[in-house]
Formats: sequence, structure tokens, C-alpha cells
Amino acid sequence: KQEVTQIPAALSVPEGENLVLNCSFTDSAIYNLQWFRQDPGKGLTSLLLIQSSQREQTSGRLNASLDKSSGRSTLYIAASQPGDSATYLCAVGDSNYQLIWGAGTKLIIKP
Amino acid sequence: EAGVTQFPSHSVIEKGQTVTLRCDPISGHDNLYWYRRVMGKEIKFLLHFVKESKQDESGMPNNRFLAERTGGTYSTLKVQPAELEDSGVYFCASSQEFSKQYFGPGTRLTVL
Repeated sequence: KQEVTQIPAALSVPEGENLVLNCSFTDSAIYNLQWFRQDPGKGLTSLLLIQSSQREQTSGRLNASLDKSSGRSTLYIAASQPGDSATYLCAVGDSNYQLIWGAGTKLIIKP
Repeated sequence: EAGVTQFPSHSVIEKGQTVTLRCDPISGHDNLYWYRRVMGKEIKFLLHFVKESKQDESGMPNNRFLAERTGGTYSTLKVQPAELEDSGVYFCASSQEFSKQYFGPGTRLTVL
């Protein structure tokens, strides 16, 4: 049974710092992996999607990597801004096209 | 292009009542998914439609939950009768083929 873990559960950093959020999964037989952000009281915004055959995806200041063999993904945020404050969720897509979710990392960027 | 929409945004009902949640996927998306997040837990998969057919309903918690997608367009998720533990946020997502899932804003259900 696939399990997804995100560490840390919460992170607070000063504005301008680069940071890394971690996601690990127990079964390497994944279809894809998505990173989302959720703002308080709001829905889920998809940030990046990495297919199982890919190693990384980039969008603006965000870079997500995938290492299936070790069961890990990282989300790198460059030059963090207060607007990046949100909960970041990692979700693994399995062969049944379900998404299996981590509990999220709550990120606070201090001005 | 309109995104995934969900209605209502928030519903407060008493235990034993019935509630129906609605999801309108992105036009042209054959795949529609329901997920929910109960307090303090991870988001969990409920079920997956391909057009009007249930592809996978392994995540449905019990027979008090009924999902339909008549005509392969919008979907409804009915909870009857609602219990306290059904409180949470219900998310709907849609996708074109089996790729990136686009999520709606969610419906926050509170059962008193």
C-alpha cells in the first residue's frame, strides 16, 4: 500500500531564502507525481506535474525533482516571497490514476 | 476556459440529514474524481468516473455515499444519512485522459 510522507510538517524562513520541501513514497511503481499548494480556505492549485519517466520539472522559481528508485521528490523554491506562504502538498498518482496524498508542509515566509 | 466548479462552497447540516454536493468539471474532461479531507487527516481518494461510468470507487467509505455522473458531464455526491465523521472538505477534480488533475475549490461540509 502506497504511503506518502512530507517533511517537515511546518517551515518558517525569512524572505529571500531558497528552500527545499521533501516528499517520500514507499512504492516506486508510480504513474506521476504532482505538487500542489493550498491557501487557507481555498482550493488546490497544481504547481508541477512530473511523469514517472521524468526527472524534474521547472516553473518560474519552482523546481521539482523525482527519484523513483529512492522514493523521493523535492520541491525547490528559489528566492522565497511572502506570497509563497501556503500549505504545499505532494500527491503520487498510481496505476489506477488515483492520487495518494501526503499530509503537507505548512510554509511561512517572514517579510 | 472555466475551471472545475463545486457547489455549494459550504454546507452545514444536522446528523441524519441528506446533503448533495455537485461538481462541474472542465468541459471536455472525461475523467472526474472525488476526494475528501477530514479534519487532521490527509486528502483521500473517493472515486473516479470515466465519462458516466465508475472506473474505481474503492475509496467510498460506506453505502451512505452515492455518486452519480449522468450523461458524463457534472457529478453529484450524495451523503444519506450524514454522520458527524463525514465532516470535512470534499474536492472534485477533472482531467483530460489520465494526466494532470485540475481541482475545484472544494465544498466544506459540517455535520452537527
